Amino acid sequence: GENVEQHPSTLSVQEGDSAVIKCTYSDSASNYFPWYKQELGKRPQLIIDIRSNVGEKKDQRIAVTLNKTAKHFSLHITETQPEDSAVYFCAATPGSNYQLIWGAGTKLIIKP
Amino acid sequence: DTAVSQTPKYLVTQMGNDKSIKCEQNLGHDTMYWYKQDSKKFLKIMFSYNNKELIINETVPNRFSPKSPDKAHLNLHINSLELGDSAVYFCASSQGENYGYTFGSGTRLTVV
Repeated sequence: GENVEQHPSTLSVQEGDSAVIKCTYSDSASNYFPWYKQELGKRPQLIIDIRSNVGEKKDQRIAVTLNKTAKHFSLHITETQPEDSAVYFCAATPGSNYQLIWGAGTKLIIKP
Repeated sequence: DTAVSQTPKYLVTQMGNDKSIKCEQNLGHDTMYWYKQDSKKFLKIMFSYNNKELIINETVPNRFSPKSPDKAHLNLHINSLELGDSAVYFCASSQGENYGYTFGSGTRLTVV
């Protein structure tokens, strides 16, 4: 079955710098890759997603890249701000049984 | 006009009790989920229903029983609560395969 690994588990960056979180997946049939942000005490919220027919997608300061050959995808946050501090989860779906397979999460800390 | 609503938000109860958590979505989605998030923040799927039909039933104790009276509702009943059941339980819904989830605000269950 699908397995998703996420690195790093904790990432600390200076405000204004960029942050990159990486995920690898095992099932080459996976075709949908969402990213979620969970602030402390809140629900996970979808921030960006990418499908397997696309290599990159951007939305203002966030972007996701997908390398199907290497089976990895990454979240890029530019010009980080204090409100970017949260836990970020990647996920992948093999496209069957409606289930997302989740990474373990990355705690992003933005230092002032 | 909350998209996915869960009640109650907090639940403190004694070991051995039986409790229920309710979830309702007004997004018209066909698929609903229950997730457990423990203190380490990992998101673990418990159950999923598609159009009132159980499609995912992960390895959880049979003290946990989901019920979907219609596709807009998915409730979770827990019998004989144990200390290890303490966690945040999230309900979520999605349009189906290869679509992002919308999460409810979570129910923080504390068993004492």
